[in-house]
Amino acid sequence: AQSVDQPDAHVTLSEGASLELRCSYSYSAAPYLFWYVQYPGQSLQFLLKYITGDTVVKGTKGFEAEFRKSNSSFNLKKSPAHWSDSAKYFCALTGNTGKLIFGLGTTLQVQP
Amino acid sequence: DMKVTQMPRYLIKRMGENVLLECGQDMSHETMYWYRQDPGLGLQLIYISYDVDSNSEGDIPKGYRVSRKKREHFSLILDSAKTNQTSVYFCASHTGDEQYFGPGTRLTVL
Repeated sequence: AQSVDQPDAHVTLSEGASLELRCSYSYSAAPYLFWYVQYPGQSLQFLLKYITGDTVVKGTKGFEAEFRKSNSSFNLKKSPAHWSDSAKYFCALTGNTGKLIFGLGTTLQVQP
Repeated sequence: DMKVTQMPRYLIKRMGENVLLECGQDMSHETMYWYRQDPGLGLQLIYISYDVDSNSEGDIPKGYRVSRKKREHFSLILDSAKTNQTSVYFCASHTGDEQYFGPGTRLTVL
């Protein structure tokens, strides 16, 4: 079965610190992996994706993510974090069904 | 600029009333989706449409139906709404590897 786990429901850090949001997945074949961001009261916006190739992918807003097949992870990173990065972040997976499977999300709060 | 629209943005209905949520996209994408988002449950897939009159149930289709008569338009219908259908509903369209989400409709069923 396909699934996505975001183990941290909430992450709080200070502006200027490095952020890393964790995502692990379960899928028997090669996954397509995504990160989306949702600002309060808004819809989901695409940040980045991993399909194949380079395991470090860069996205919008200065974010990047690293695909690690060895531990089935796709963690989102940014340094330094800015207060405007405060939002909810969703990791997602597409497998052979073509459907996006979302994690429950991580709410990030960056304190000024 | 790729755009997905949703109408209405906010809706309050009484239990038992019918509800129509509308979604449009101007990108001629074949595949479209309806999700609902609830606190603690993330996004749950209600229905998928692969093209006009080609719809498939998602993970939580009970209590919902959909209609797609034109490629650019995808409707979600609640016949006799229930209070547990209070939620935020998102429509998305899909091309290549990416989904584009609409702004959402906040539905309250009293």
